[in-house]
Amino acid sequence: KQEVTQIPAALSVPEGENLVLNCSFTDSAIYNLQWFRQDPGKGLTSLLLIQSSQREQTSGRLNASLDKSSGRSTLYIAASQPGDSATYLCAVDNQGGKLIFGQGTELSVKP
Amino acid sequence: NAGVTQTPKFRILKIGQSMTLQCAQDMNHNYMYWYRQDPGMGLKLIYYSVGAGITDKGEVPNGYNVSRSTTEDFPLRLELAAPSQTSVYFCAATDRVPNEKLFFGSGTQLSVL
Repeated sequence: KQEVTQIPAALSVPEGENLVLNCSFTDSAIYNLQWFRQDPGKGLTSLLLIQSSQREQTSGRLNASLDKSSGRSTLYIAASQPGDSATYLCAVDNQGGKLIFGQGTELSVKP
Repeated sequence: NAGVTQTPKFRILKIGQSMTLQCAQDMNHNYMYWYRQDPGMGLKLIYYSVGAGITDKGEVPNGYNVSRSTTEDFPLRLELAAPSQTSVYFCAATDRVPNEKLFFGSGTQLSVL
C-alpha cells in the first residue's frame, strides 16, 4: 500500500531564505507527483505536477524534483516571502487519478 | 471562472441526522472526487466518479453515498451522521487521468455533535 510522508510537519524561516520541503513515498510505480498549496480555510491549489518520466518542474520561484528510484521529491522555494506562508502537501498518483496525500508541511515565513 | 463550487461552507449536525454536501463544477470535467481532511492529516479519498452514472469507492467510503446524474454535479450524502465524520470535506475535479492537475473546491467544514 502506497504511503506518503512529509517531513518536517512545520517549518519557520526568515524572509528571503531559500528552503526545501521533503516528500517521500513507498511505492515507486507512480504516474505522477503533485505539490499543492493550502491556505487556512481554503481549498488546495495545484502548484506543480511532475510526470513519472520527468525529473523536475519549475514555476517561478518554485522548483520540484522527483527521484522515483529513491521514492523522494523535494519542493524548493527560492527567496521566500511572507506570502508563501501556507501548508504544502504532496500527493502521488499510482492508481490513475486517485491521489495519496502526505500530511503536509506548515510553512511560516517571518518578515 | 467558478471552477469547483461546494456548499455549504459550514454545517453542524446532531448524531443520527442526515445531510447532503453539494459539489458542482463548470469545467465539463469527467473525473470528480470527494476527499476528507482530518486535523493535521493528509486527505483521504471517500468516493470518486469517472463520468455521469459511474461512481466507485475510495479508501474511506463507509457512512457515505454518492451519485453522479450529470457531468456537473457530484453530491455526497451522509445518512446517519457520527462524530467520526467530523472533518473538512473537499470536492475535486480533473479533465483526464493521469497527469492532469486536480482542481479543488474551497471545502465544507462539518461538525457532528
